[in-house]
Amino acid sequence: ETGVTQTPRHLVMGMTNKKSLKCEQHLGHNAMYWYKQSAKKPLELMFVYSLEERVENNSVPSRFSPECPNSSHLFLHLHTLQPEDSALYLCASSQGRSSGELFFGEGSRLTVL
Amino acid sequence: GQNIDQPTEMTATEGAIVQINCTYQTSGFNGLFWYQQHAGEAPTFLSYNVLDGLEEKGRFSSFLSRSKGYSYLLLKELQMKDSASYLCAVREGDAGNMLTFGGGTRLMVKP
Repeated sequence: ETGVTQTPRHLVMGMTNKKSLKCEQHLGHNAMYWYKQSAKKPLELMFVYSLEERVENNSVPSRFSPECPNSSHLFLHLHTLQPEDSALYLCASSQGRSSGELFFGEGSRLTVL
Repeated sequence: GQNIDQPTEMTATEGAIVQINCTYQTSGFNGLFWYQQHAGEAPTFLSYNVLDGLEEKGRFSSFLSRSKGYSYLLLKELQMKDSASYLCAVREGDAGNMLTFGGGTRLMVKP
């Protein structure tokens, strides 16, 4: 069982819907990440939260909005998505931003119709 | 920016040895990581190299040459359960854990 839990595991939504992905880590880590994994593309970092500081990939569209209320919880709010946003969204955590080892959740498989 | 290349697919036989290569181009190199990802599962950490040389962990070893921008993951005594994707990732400068991943190598182990 992974120490990083993501819900929902599968989500189908229309382009006008608003939904959220949730991630919770039970490892006592203080950094959390959102990655996007599309078919035949490398894992792409979207957002990092570390000690309440947020770092983001400037290429991520504004229709993705992260929220990190505390060091154990991370959300990805989705609004007005496009079909090309269909992908596996992976949450990860680490102890600090330089430990080197990321612990991933099993992902939320998103399909945008 | 970074450019990370690794083969898309490899096939090997159970009990054999396989080497998965990764080349990268980056400024301010600060570590190379290998992750394993079984189909439908989360990636899991395998190894970390920041200095040149070989790091061994049981059946798995990882090698790094910083001057050549090159790493490989060596898997010995292959087992069927080693069939998975192997992801090479590079950390640049003082980027914390903002890793840039390669596209992954899908390894198929056959009996």
